[in-house]
Amino acid sequence: EIVMMQSPATLSVSPGERATLSCRASQSVSSNLAWYQQKPGQAPRLLIYGASTRATGIPARFSGSGSGTEFTLTISSLQSEDFAVYYCQQYNNWPPYTFGQGTKLEIK
Amino acid sequence: QVQLQESGPGLVKPSETLSLTCTVSGGSISSYYWSWIRQPPGKGLEWIGYIYYSGSTNYNPSLKSRVTISVDTSKNQFSLKLSSVTAADTAVYYCARGNNAARPGGWFDPWGQGTLVTVSS
Repeated sequence: EIVMMQSPATLSVSPGERATLSCRASQSVSSNLAWYQQKPGQAPRLLIYGASTRATGIPARFSGSGSGTEFTLTISSLQSEDFAVYYCQQYNNWPPYTFGQGTKLEIK
Repeated sequence: QVQLQESGPGLVKPSETLSLTCTVSGGSISSYYWSWIRQPPGKGLEWIGYIYYSGSTNYNPSLKSRVTISVDTSKNQFSLKLSSVTAADTAVYYCARGNNAARPGGWFDPWGQGTLVTVSS
């Protein structure tokens, strides 16, 4: 099973600033990585797939990068609605598909 | 657009079987791979398994001995059964669609809103 590790567990950033979230895989997942945003009481929402392709309707301030074992989600100029928990998910080696434990992005 | 809705009992007794159904609207279930994913309170996401409309399934090895996923194409629904539940199975259960109509693998979009199932006597 591929283990996905996200860092940091909590990230405090001021509105308008940039946030950088990391995801590391225990072995290469190529570019087969997705990012999701989850707000309290809601289902996860797909943001990025293929490590860097934004899903339909996702604002351009969200960008993904990386391949192999190291991935980054960058949110430029944070808006109030961006404060949430973010998960990465690999779909290169399955079963099982696996998720990271999440990074909580909070207002500084 | 496609929407998913979970339904089923919110409380299950220990050692019994958890049963949930996901109803797909706005599109046919007769394509794509359909998954169940769960999230214990305050914790991360765990993929449980998927089913194809043909009935082909694949399960998380950690749950495989207790999980059955089935599909009813006439009702545009698929279902989850998890046997011998314990408190550790308390979670929000989500149904979700895989991204590819013809093959497994990939990301999940869209998701249902989720339903909380509590295991308690």
